[in-house]
Amino acid sequence: DTAVSQTPKYLVTQMGNDKSIKCEQNLGHDTMYWYKQDSKKFLKIMFSYNNKELIINETVPNRFSPKSPDKAHLNLHINSLELGDSAVYFCASSLGTSGIGGELFFGEGSRLTVL
Amino acid sequence: GENVEQHPSTLSVQEGDSAVIKCTYSDSASNYFPWYKQELGKGPQLIIDIRSNVGEKKDQRIAVTLNKTAKHFSLHITETQPEDSAVYFCAAVNNNDMRFGAGTRLTVKP
Repeated sequence: DTAVSQTPKYLVTQMGNDKSIKCEQNLGHDTMYWYKQDSKKFLKIMFSYNNKELIINETVPNRFSPKSPDKAHLNLHINSLELGDSAVYFCASSLGTSGIGGELFFGEGSRLTVL
Repeated sequence: GENVEQHPSTLSVQEGDSAVIKCTYSDSASNYFPWYKQELGKGPQLIIDIRSNVGEKKDQRIAVTLNKTAKHFSLHITETQPEDSAVYFCAAVNNNDMRFGAGTRLTVKP
């Protein structure tokens, strides 16, 4: 039974399009995250939600809009896609916030390719 | 904010040898240091962690050491096996702020 699942796994789209990636966790965790992993494997936090409330919002273009309908779901919507948005996007969750002892459980990633 | 540097970026060892990955951090208030392993096509997974009140922690073939004074911590893998091949990330956490290092691609040659 998958703990953190995200869809789609692969997404190929044209520049300028709008796309969404969905994430669901069945671990009963309070906090969910979106990370971006670029081609050099660097993992960068984008957003964090705790009980549907935004708690971390890094310097991310406002074309990226997270939405958390409930604490088990955190979706990522991207408007006007650009070439530089091509990356693997990881959803993650943790029981508390990512403070001490807060193990992150990652999904398998969604590879976005913008042509 | 916290800045985590990780070295080396790539590491190749022979099966059975040891591997060491080192990280430094900048924020002396960071108090939790996890290590994640990312296998090909998968998300990162926690393999070991250490808190700032401990200098060393071991779990079978993996161990982590922490030097708070020097602000560096290391991952040690002994008797490496081909299945240890992956990208390893260190991280430093201060309150709710977790920052990852840039990753080390470890290749264990059979």
